[in-house]
Amino acid sequence: QSALTQPASVSGSPGQSITISCTGTDSDVGRYKYVSWYQHHPGKAPKLIIYAVSDRPSGVSIRFSGSKSGNTASLTISGLQAEDEADYFCSSYTRSNTWVFGGGTKLTVL
Amino acid sequence: QLVESGGGLVQPGESLRLSCEASGFTFSRYDMHWVRKPLGRGLEWVSTIGAADDAYYLDSVKGRFTISRENGMDSIYLQMNSLMPGDTAVYYCGRDVEGAFGFWGQGTMVTVSS
Repeated sequence: QSALTQPASVSGSPGQSITISCTGTDSDVGRYKYVSWYQHHPGKAPKLIIYAVSDRPSGVSIRFSGSKSGNTASLTISGLQAEDEADYFCSSYTRSNTWVFGGGTKLTVL
Repeated sequence: QLVESGGGLVQPGESLRLSCEASGFTFSRYDMHWVRKPLGRGLEWVSTIGAADDAYYLDSVKGRFTISRENGMDSIYLQMNSLMPGDTAVYYCGRDVEGAFGFWGQGTMVTVSS
C-alpha cells in the first residue's frame, strides 16, 4: 500500500493553468479507472473534484479536469483563481481491494 | 450529510469507537469509507465496508480496527482497539461515488498520547 507520488508543491499566477501529476503503478493507477482528486482547505472537509479519472461531480467548476496516461494521472486547473489555493490529493483503487492516496500537492496562487 | 462522532484523547493501547450517521440518501445502497488525516500529513484510507457488508482495511490497522454498518440506523462504525500514537488523526467518513470518496463529514479528532 505505497502512497502515490505527487509533487510537493506547484504554483501559478491568476488566470494561468497548472497541472499536478500523480504517479502510481500498474497495480493501481495504471490498472483501474477509479482515480480521483480532492481539494482540501485546512480546517475543512476534503472535497471531491474529479472521479473516474476525468468526471466532475455536479457543482465542480469546469476549470478542473483530469486525465490519465499509463501509470500517471493528472489534474489540470485552468484560469487559476485565488480560491484555488489549497492542498490537492489524488487517490486510486488498487488490486488489493484497497485505496491509496498521494502525498498531496500544495498549490500556491501567486 | 455525514456526521462523525466518538473521537477523543486516549492513551496508547486503549480503544475508541467512532460513529458516522448519514442522512439524505439511501444508505443501504452505498459502500462507505473511513479516511484519516494526521496533522501536517496527507490523507490516508483506513477502511471500507461494502453494501454487502464486505470489509477492507489498511494493512497497519488490520486486526486492530473493525468497521461495521447498521442500515436501520443509517450508520457506520469504526471500532479501534490497541490504539497507537501513529493513529492520531482527524477521521472522516465518506460515501462512495464510483470508487471515489464522494461526500465527507466534518471529521472527528482522535489523539493517542500518554
